[in-house]
Amino acid sequence: AQSVTQLDSHVSVSEGTPVLLRCNYSSSYSPSLFWYVQHPNKGLQLLLKYTSAATLVKGINGFEAEFKKSETSFHLTKPSAHMSDAAEYFCVVSDPSGGYNKLIFGAGTRLAVHP
Amino acid sequence: GAVVSQHPSWVICKSGTSVKIECRSLDFQATTMFWYRQFPKQSLMLMATSNEGSKATYEQGVEKDKFLINHASLTLSTLTVTSAHPEDSSFYICSAKDRVGDQPQHFGDGTRLSIL
Repeated sequence: AQSVTQLDSHVSVSEGTPVLLRCNYSSSYSPSLFWYVQHPNKGLQLLLKYTSAATLVKGINGFEAEFKKSETSFHLTKPSAHMSDAAEYFCVVSDPSGGYNKLIFGAGTRLAVHP
Repeated sequence: GAVVSQHPSWVICKSGTSVKIECRSLDFQATTMFWYRQFPKQSLMLMATSNEGSKATYEQGVEKDKFLINHASLTLSTLTVTSAHPEDSSFYICSAKDRVGDQPQHFGDGTRLSIL
């Protein structure tokens, strides 16, 4: 069975400092992995996705994530946080039993950015 | 980029009424759309997968007679919450997947449903 664990429910950083949001996954298959961001009372926006190409994936707004099979991790990073990055972030794995259509969400990490 | 429009964004209604939520893919065709429910400060829970021209596939524990799904075209899926009660109050989010290629799901902005 597929599963996703986001290791931190809350992360707080100062503006201009690096961001690290941690995610571990469990998958019996070669997974497709995603990071989505959700601002308050909004839907989800895709930041980036990994689908077995390059292990370092670059996304929008300066975010990137590295797929590490040996560690079953897919951590999200950004070199310098902006105030506008404050939001909820979800690490997601697709479930191949549903033709890779079914998404399994982590519990989310709330990122706070302080001036 | 791919845009999914969800309407309405906010609904407040009395207990016992039915509420319909629309999900449209604006610039792509989606044979498959998804309906999620999100409780405050929690993650998304998949309710059902909506398939164009066929019956929806519901997740375990989701009442199909309570949450009616219709996917009549390649760009529109609707979720109707029938005889809504306060416990149905939640944030409902739809997503759609482009029928062409290996594309990720694109999400609507959600509907905040409040049942009084």
